[in-house]
Amino acid sequence: DAGITQSPRHKVTETGTPVTLRCHQTENHRYMYWYRQDPGHGLRLIHYSYGVKDTDKGEVSDGYSVSRSKTEDFLLTLESATSSQTSVYFCAISEPPYEQYFGPGTRLTVT
Amino acid sequence: AQSVTQPDIHITVSEGASLELRCNYSYGATPYLFWYVQSPGQGLQLLLKYFSGDTLVQGIKGFEAEFKRSQSSFNLRKPSVHWSDAAEYFCAVAADSNYQLIWGAGTKLIIKP
Repeated sequence: DAGITQSPRHKVTETGTPVTLRCHQTENHRYMYWYRQDPGHGLRLIHYSYGVKDTDKGEVSDGYSVSRSKTEDFLLTLESATSSQTSVYFCAISEPPYEQYFGPGTRLTVT
Repeated sequence: AQSVTQPDIHITVSEGASLELRCNYSYGATPYLFWYVQSPGQGLQLLLKYFSGDTLVQGIKGFEAEFKRSQSSFNLRKPSVHWSDAAEYFCAVAADSNYQLIWGAGTKLIIKP
């Protein structure tokens, strides 16, 4: 299995609070991705990174920001959490591009 | 625009029976195609991939898939399912640019004892 960890694995937070999710890889892969998974919507790409400090938006980026200051870490921040951001969040990595390997996920509940 | 369709939301199969999960894609050139499996509460695991060459590809856990260009399909098969195969299966195609994958909505496989 690819060396990908996500933290925290579970989080409950209140509406309006900032939240940061961390994805850490030990594979030295160049590409990293953040997805959310919701019933009836499948997997939706939030943001992705193609190198240190190089990021771009996915299809559902509103309300989310990301940062990648090191190859191994990709952070997803919800600046002010809303109930609509209750979801399961997955990080993925790839090198070369296309074939993606996924982390175990973070279950986020916004109350 | 590229798209992936998995026509079956749920499929129920008896243990020991054969399985075929359907995937249709929309893409102009030769696609890069993938099947992933997600067990309950877990992340997604790559089952197999097709980039080029032999159109019948073998994957892990006894799965195989066949690329049929004429039908724009990449169906997943297994000759005999086990209860542990109960999971959700996702088909994906590589996007033209930006190194993204276009995902199908998934098919949930239920195994009858």
